[in-house]
Order: sequence, then structure tokens, then C-alpha cells
Amino acid sequence: GNSVTQMEGPVTLSEEAFLTINCTYTATGYPSLFWYVQYPGEGLQLLLKATKADDKGSNKGFEATYRKETTSFHLEKGSVQVSDSAVYFCALTAVNSGNTPLVFGKGTRLSVIA
Amino acid sequence: DSGVTQTPKHLITATGQRVTLRCSPRSGDLSVYWYQQSLDQGLQFLIQYYNGEERAKGNILERFSAQQFPDLHSELNLSSLELGDSALYFCASSKATSGNTIYFGEGSWLTVV
Repeated sequence: GNSVTQMEGPVTLSEEAFLTINCTYTATGYPSLFWYVQYPGEGLQLLLKATKADDKGSNKGFEATYRKETTSFHLEKGSVQVSDSAVYFCALTAVNSGNTPLVFGKGTRLSVIA
Repeated sequence: DSGVTQTPKHLITATGQRVTLRCSPRSGDLSVYWYQQSLDQGLQFLIQYYNGEERAKGNILERFSAQQFPDLHSELNLSSLELGDSALYFCASSKATSGNTIYFGEGSWLTVV
């Protein structure tokens, strides 16, 4: 079946540090890949997405590239801010996703300290 | 603002009771999804409706049920509530049954005491 694996958190970084959150997937068919973010006390927000191999999604300084050869969609940001502190979820949907329209990873909590 | 509206935002109720959570999807979206987020289980897909019909079922307990009405809003009914049902319940919507971006509401916090 389809699945998403994210790096375990929590991740603690100093402001202006480089961020990478690893995400790999297993899927049949051709999945679309997403990063969602959940700020403290809030709901899930779509951060970025990519729908085919080699696509790069980007938003708010975050980027992720759909790598079919390594089945990965790692999230990166060159310089994090305190306001980026949140939980980040990697997710996929696929035409053949069976009963689960959107498959999530377990989430990675990021804390950025000033 | 995702355009998905959920009510109530917070709810406290006693064990054994029944509650109804309500969701209005984004304008034009035909698919509605319900997810449960708890500390120990993470984000669990419960159920999906498309244009009024059940389309996919995930880890939804028999004590829970849902429906989507002709105006496309959806309700999630939780009955015989247990302490372990305390969680954040998300509604989400999209334009098609799969492959399209899914937008989430802000969730309904349910606390069972």
C-alpha cells in the first residue's frame, strides 16, 4: 500500500539555520506529493505541492523537489525563523490510493530558537 | 483561510454522550473528508464523501457515522463517547475524488470527560 515516512522529530534549530526534513514515500501509480504545516493551536495548512517527477514546489521560502528515482520529497528552507516553529507533515495522494485519499507521515515538530 | 468551515471549534462532553460536528466545504468542492488527529495515533483518515455518497472508508469506528447533504455540507456523528475519543477532528474538501489538493478546516477540538 501507499505510505509516507518522515524523519523523527523534534528538530531544534537556531534562527537563520538551514532546514531539511526528510520524506520518502511508497506508492503505486503516480502520486502527487504535499507538505502541510500545523502551527501551534491551529489546523493544517497546505505549504507546497508537486504533482509529477522533477517538479519543485515552493512557498514562503520552503522548497521540495519530487524525486522519483529516490522516491523522496525532502523539505528545505535556507534560513528558518522563529515563526516557522510548527509541525510539518509530508503526504501523498495517488489515483490508486485505495481507501485513503491522503496518506500522511507522522509529522516532524520543528522548534526554532532565537 | 482555507474556505473550509467547521463548527464547533471546541466541545467538551461527558462519556456516553453523542455529538455532531459540522463541516461546510469550499465553494465548488464535491469531496469531503474527515480525519482524526490524536497524540498517539497521529492523523487518521476516517471517511470520505463525494457528492452525497460515501466514497472511501478508513479507520472509522462503528460508533461514528457521517453523511453529506444535498447542499454538500457534511456532519460527523460521534456516539457512546469514550475518553479515548478526545481528539482534534478535521474536515477537508477537494474538487475531485483523488489526486487534487485537499484543503483542511481548522478542526473541532473534542474533549470527553
